Amino acid sequence: KNQVEQSPQSLIILEGKNCTLQCNYTVSPFSNLRWYKQDTGRGPVSLTIMTFSENTKSNGRYTATLDADTKQSSLHITASQLSDSASYICVVSDRGTYKYIFGTGTRLKVLA
Amino acid sequence: ETGVTQSPTHLIKTRGQQVTLRCSSQSGHNTVSWYQQALGQGPQFIFQYYREEENGRGNFPPRFSGLQFPNYSSELNVNALELDDSALYLCASSKDTYTEAFFGQGTRLTVV
Repeated sequence: KNQVEQSPQSLIILEGKNCTLQCNYTVSPFSNLRWYKQDTGRGPVSLTIMTFSENTKSNGRYTATLDADTKQSSLHITASQLSDSASYICVVSDRGTYKYIFGTGTRLKVLA
Repeated sequence: ETGVTQSPTHLIKTRGQQVTLRCSSQSGHNTVSWYQQALGQGPQFIFQYYREEENGRGNFPPRFSGLQFPNYSSELNVNALELDDSALYLCASSKDTYTEAFFGQGTRLTVV
């Protein structure tokens, strides 16, 4: 069964600190992996998208990594800001069915 | 701004009624997908359309149906509404199934 699991489920950090979110997946055949940021009650906003051949991709203070062999990805947030408080969702695309499979997300809270 | 617009933003319907949600995608985006997101949960894939034909479907009953139009707009129709259908409904569009998907802000449906 195609699944996407994220950890931790929730995280609280102080402003200015770094953090790393994890995503493990079993989706096969794999097409691409995306990280989204979602504020409560709003649509997800794309942070990065990576295909099979990409290992690292950055978007400002956000850096995503992908290990297609171990089927793991991480999202590293540098020098966190209060506005980073949101849910971060890992989404894996199934190349066979064209489906997007969402993780349940990590809720990040950044405190002043 | 993602260029994807959903309407209405909020909607209240009675159990047993039918509802139509609308999504206006970016010009040139041939792929649109719809998701149901219950409170505190990650989005669940409903179905995807490519060039006006359904090409992928999640685990949703037939009373969830859709349409995609040549002008890059689409609809999600839900018949015989149930209380559990209360959720945020998101649409996402992309040029094709392998490129970045942009989400709308969602329609909050409440079934009473």
